Amino acid sequence: KQEVTQIPAALSVPEGENLVLNCSFTDSAIYNLQWFRQDPGKGLTSLLLIQSSQREQTSGRLNASLDKSSGRSTLYIAASQPGDSATYLCAVQTSGSRLTFGEGTQLTVNP
Amino acid sequence: GAVVSQHPSWVICKSGTSVKIECRSLDFQATTMFWYRQFPKQSLMLMATSNEGSKATYEQGVEKDKFLINHASLTLSTLTVTSAHPEDSSFYICSASWAGGASNEQFFGPGTRLTVL
Repeated sequence: KQEVTQIPAALSVPEGENLVLNCSFTDSAIYNLQWFRQDPGKGLTSLLLIQSSQREQTSGRLNASLDKSSGRSTLYIAASQPGDSATYLCAVQTSGSRLTFGEGTQLTVNP
Repeated sequence: GAVVSQHPSWVICKSGTSVKIECRSLDFQATTMFWYRQFPKQSLMLMATSNEGSKATYEQGVEKDKFLINHASLTLSTLTVTSAHPEDSSFYICSASWAGGASNEQFFGPGTRLTVL
């Protein structure tokens, strides 16, 4: 059974800092890994999707890496802003399109 | 990107009533739809997977008679919470994907907040 763990559970940083969120998964037989953002009381916003054959994806200030063999992914956020405050969820897709989510990292960026 | 909508966005009901939540793919045909629930401060848990025209596959521990899922068309799936109780209060999120997609990516709806009094 696939298990996804995210560290840290919560993170508070001052504005402008670069930061890294971590995600690990137990079964390396994945199709892809996806990072989402969720604002309080809202649905999911897809940030980056990395296919199993890829090593990283970039979008603006966000960069996600994937090391499938070691079961790890990181989400790097450059020059953080208060608007980045949200919960960040990592999810891996395995057989049958099944998505398994981590518990999330709650990020607070202080002005 | 592909757009998925949910209706209603929130609902409050009395204990013992049934509530129907709709999930629609607006600009693509969804061969598969997924239903998740999310309790406060927790992550999303898959409840069931439904393919158009066939019965839903429920995750272990999810009561199929309580959470009725219908995927009657390629653009609509419904989740009916029957005889709802306060412990069913949660955030329900659907997602949709299509078989022709290169990545099997799921596109998520905005969620429905259910509160059972």
